[in-house]
Amino acid sequence: GIQVEQSPPDLILQEGANSTLRCNFSDSVNNLQWFHQNPWGQLINLFYIPSGTKQNGRLSATTVATERYSLLYISSSQTTDSGVYFCAVEFGDYKLSFGAGTTVTVRA
Amino acid sequence: DTAVSQTPKYLVTQMGNDKSIKCEQNLGHDTMYWYKQDSKKFLKIMFSYNNKELIINETVPNRFSPKSPDKAHLNLHINSLELGDSAVYFCASSHGAGHEQFFGPGTRLTVL
Repeated sequence: GIQVEQSPPDLILQEGANSTLRCNFSDSVNNLQWFHQNPWGQLINLFYIPSGTKQNGRLSATTVATERYSLLYISSSQTTDSGVYFCAVEFGDYKLSFGAGTTVTVRA
Repeated sequence: DTAVSQTPKYLVTQMGNDKSIKCEQNLGHDTMYWYKQDSKKFLKIMFSYNNKELIINETVPNRFSPKSPDKAHLNLHINSLELGDSAVYFCASSHGAGHEQFFGPGTRLTVL
């Protein structure tokens, strides 16, 4: 079946540190999104990135579709970056398949 | 101006009751979804609607019945609620398959 695997499952960072989150997926995709679920439970769109590289402030993402992985970079982390980061992919079938998430804790 | 809104935000009810969750989007999208997030934070698709027609029904018990009165609304009615239905339910919308999906704030359902 379709698989979306995220690593690491948990990440503890000191404020100011940089980090990389990874998402591997099992088939060609026509949609890949990164979300941040904040401590209040809101799912915030970070990137829509089925291929290529995008940057938004301290966050950037790269998807290498031919090798079936995506990376999310967090630079100069802040306590407000804490939460769960989800990768989700769509295989052209009107549904996002989510990974299990990476729980990020940023300590002051 | 909220893009995807859901009501209510919290729902606490007894086993066996029937309840509804409403979703509205003002993004002009033609596709709407319901996702369920369980206690381990795993998110899974339940239903997809495109132009008011059911596209995906992901092995959800028939106690769950979605209804789309128009392209901007997708409601979820749940009959005979069970303890295992306790979860957070998210509505989402997009411009069809392969396009970015935008999520509502979620409805936390607790069945006692």
